[in-house]
Amino acid sequence: EIVLTQSPATLSLSPGERATLSCRASQSVSSYLAWYQQKPGQAPRLLIYDASNRATGIPARFSGSGSGTDFTLTISSLEPEDFAVYYCQQRSNWPPVYTFGQGTKLEIK
Amino acid sequence: EVQLVESGGGLVQPGGSLRLSCAASGFTFSSYSMNWVRQAPGKGLEWVSYISSSSSTIYYADSVKGRFTISRDNAKNSLYLQMNSLRAEDTAVYYCAREATVVTVFDYWGQGTLVTVSS
Repeated sequence: EIVLTQSPATLSLSPGERATLSCRASQSVSSYLAWYQQKPGQAPRLLIYDASNRATGIPARFSGSGSGTDFTLTISSLEPEDFAVYYCQQRSNWPPVYTFGQGTKLEIK
Repeated sequence: EVQLVESGGGLVQPGGSLRLSCAASGFTFSSYSMNWVRQAPGKGLEWVSYISSSSSTIYYADSVKGRFTISRDNAKNSLYLQMNSLRAEDTAVYYCAREATVVTVFDYWGQGTLVTVSS
């Protein structure tokens, strides 16, 4: 089973700064990696799919990159509403399971 | 507008049962695979179960296999999760999530329903 490891666990930044979040897979997932944002008391929201494609309605300041085992979510200039927890996710063909990383909390410095 | 509304959560004793429902609207429910994902208090996301659009393919996480049963009724635009032999570690918010048609990601989520397993 593929394990996704996110780093750092917590990232403290100020509005306007650039955020770089990492997700590493225990074996290659090609480009089949997604990113989600979750704010307190809310359901997760899909941000990025297939490593680098923004979901509908997602601002251009969010971008994803990577392939194989190493992936990055970048927020170019943080807005106050971007402070949240971010999860990466993939689905393996066998066993057919969906795996999430443990999350990165992006907090205001 | 796509809407997913979960219901059926609550407090149940260890060893008990509960049935969750998810009412879907705003899209052709019968064309989409659906999933249940849960989140224990203060913890991360854990996928629970998958069901294909026609119910022909079903998957479960090892942690719930043999205890939980996913099902759907396309005529009623509804998804279900029958949970038996509940344990304290099943305590979580349970989300229903639509799977996108081309990629295996969850493109829409409900707001969740809280299940608490405690004596």
